[in-house]
Amino acid sequence: EVQLVQSGAEVKKPGESLKISCKTSGYSFSSYWIGWVRQMPGKGLEWMGIIYPGDSDTRYSPSFQGQVTISADKSISTAYLRWNSLKASDTAMYYCARGRGSTSFDYWGQGTLVTVSS
Amino acid sequence: QSALTQPASVSGSPGQSITISCTGTSSDVGGYNYVSWYQQHPGKAPKVMIYDVNNRPSGVPDRFSGSKSGNTASLTISGLQAEDEADYYCSSYTTSSTLFGTGTKVTVL
Repeated sequence: EVQLVQSGAEVKKPGESLKISCKTSGYSFSSYWIGWVRQMPGKGLEWMGIIYPGDSDTRYSPSFQGQVTISADKSISTAYLRWNSLKASDTAMYYCARGRGSTSFDYWGQGTLVTVSS
Repeated sequence: QSALTQPASVSGSPGQSITISCTGTSSDVGGYNYVSWYQQHPGKAPKVMIYDVNNRPSGVPDRFSGSKSGNTASLTISGLQAEDEADYYCSSYTTSSTLFGTGTKVTVL
């Protein structure tokens, strides 16, 4: 059974760093793209970027390029999303999802709520 | 990059058919056969209903169908049921990235 289990909710202050995780199981981690999607409170879905763990090929939405870093650790089948300096506007639910190719997502994590507040 | 355009809301009675549109440009919807549709119930993760314009993953009822004409893709739900009430988002591949639609709230009257 394919599963994506995300790390728990986070409450951080502006300027702090953060790395959230997405642990996968039930499939060959290196052979599928895995991506991240943001959903701000009461708003729609936003595609942030994807990574192919097999060769670490990473693609970002222009809106998120330079704002976050996507990485993957093949040894523990886990993908990550990292911020170096959080802003209040980063407050959102973040989903990881497995790629069906690089063009859609077929399995989703449960989401990680990130709250950034002073 | 701007989000793909969807109607904010669509409603229908049980048993009826509804169609949700998703309008982009020749650089995304019109340029690739990589349109997907996702259903999201409140407080839940999205679920893929259609991929590659008109393909249904296993387990998705055949009441859901997708199509595309030019720069506009469509999701049709036939025989609307109460459990179909949710938010729906389209997405389309664009050069080295993906765009989501603005989202449509489907209400079952």
